[in-house]
Amino acid sequence: EDQVTQSPEALRLQEGESSSLNCSYTVSGLRGLFWYRQDPGKGPEFLFTLYSAGEEKEKERLKATLTKKESFLHITAPKPEDSATYLCAVRPKTYSGNTGKLIFGQGTTLQVKP
Amino acid sequence: EPEVTQTPSHQVTQMGQEVILRCVPISNHLYFYWYRQILGQKVEFLVSFYNNEISEKSEIFDDQFSVERPDGSNFTLKIRSTKLEDSAMYFCASNRDGSTDTQYFGPGTRLTVL
Repeated sequence: EDQVTQSPEALRLQEGESSSLNCSYTVSGLRGLFWYRQDPGKGPEFLFTLYSAGEEKEKERLKATLTKKESFLHITAPKPEDSATYLCAVRPKTYSGNTGKLIFGQGTTLQVKP
Repeated sequence: EPEVTQTPSHQVTQMGQEVILRCVPISNHLYFYWYRQILGQKVEFLVSFYNNEISEKSEIFDDQFSVERPDGSNFTLKIRSTKLEDSAMYFCASNRDGSTDTQYFGPGTRLTVL
């Protein structure tokens, strides 16, 4: 069964304290791994797409990496405005064709204190 | 920058009533999706839609649910007879190529069933 697990569930950091969020996945063929940011009461906001092991993407203080079993979202010197829930999602290959369905993890809620 | 929009932002209804949630996907996108997120839980896939037909649906998407693209811009989700457990945030998403492209999400409609 296709599955995505994120850890930790919650993370508190001091401003400037770097850390990493983990996304472990089990999927029958990967057609993309996605990171989204979600603020309370809002829709997921796209951050990164990764397609193959070894791939890395970077944007401001965030860097996403991908291996065959997991992805990491590294946050360097975070600021309070980085506080949000970070969602990981995978798009599996399906026998019914490329329908694009995403399977989400439960998210990591990050709080950055000044 | 083009965005996915959704209306209404909040819908309150009585159990057993029909509701229609509306979405305007990004204009050059061809694949459309509905997801839901029950409070405190994962984002869950409901249905994908392409070329005026359903591509894939989840177990959640039973006979009470239907989707439609009534014109060139709107994409709707109808729940025929709402239940208490339908209370959730409903997100619409779209992309150009279902198999490889990033999905962009709308801000969501909060459905409350009393």
